[in-house]
Amino acid sequence: DVKVTQSSRYLVKRTGEKVFLECVQDMDHENMFWYRQDPGLGLRLIYFSYDVKMKEKGDIPEGYSVSREKKERFSLILESASTNQTSMYLCASSFIGLNYGYTFGSGTRLTVV
Amino acid sequence: SQQGEEDPQALSIQEGENATMNCSYKTSINNLQWYRQNSGRGLVHLILIRSNEREKHSGRLRVTLDTSKKSSSLLITASRAADTASYFCATVSMFSGGYNKLIFGAGTRLAVHP
Repeated sequence: DVKVTQSSRYLVKRTGEKVFLECVQDMDHENMFWYRQDPGLGLRLIYFSYDVKMKEKGDIPEGYSVSREKKERFSLILESASTNQTSMYLCASSFIGLNYGYTFGSGTRLTVV
Repeated sequence: SQQGEEDPQALSIQEGENATMNCSYKTSINNLQWYRQNSGRGLVHLILIRSNEREKHSGRLRVTLDTSKKSSSLLITASRAADTASYFCATVSMFSGGYNKLIFGAGTRLAVHP
């Protein structure tokens, strides 16, 4: 069964910590995405990548960076975690092209205290 | 930058009834997609309808698209308790450089009661 795997379901970190969220897909997808989901705000795109070592800013990149060293892995990095980054983080992947759906991971619920 | 807006925000029905959710969007699209999210989980892709299609079916799901009104609807027939979830529409938008991204609406929360 094809899938997107996020390394942690729940994560609690302290303010100021550097946080790594990992995402791995096994579908040979070119595109990978990081979203955050907050009540009342829906899903907002943080970063995406269309190829190894390539990245593009989404709608809310501030406070985040990403890394894509291998095609199957896309990491989201919170350089210095803050309480307003407490959220559900969702990774997704897709083939390049307009008419493909996204495959999502199960999400990581991050709490910054 | 939400493109799609779902209506209603919440829907509560009995098992066996049909559930209809609507989505409106603002700009021209290449396709529109519907996703389901069970509580606290990731989204699951349900169906994609292209801008030149008017209706599409998948099992108990029926999606319509009216590009002149910039709207879509998702119909779930003979609903089951397992259909309880949030449903999102998403439209494809182009980044500069030719890369596409999905923009999601805020979702409709569907509760199906046994």
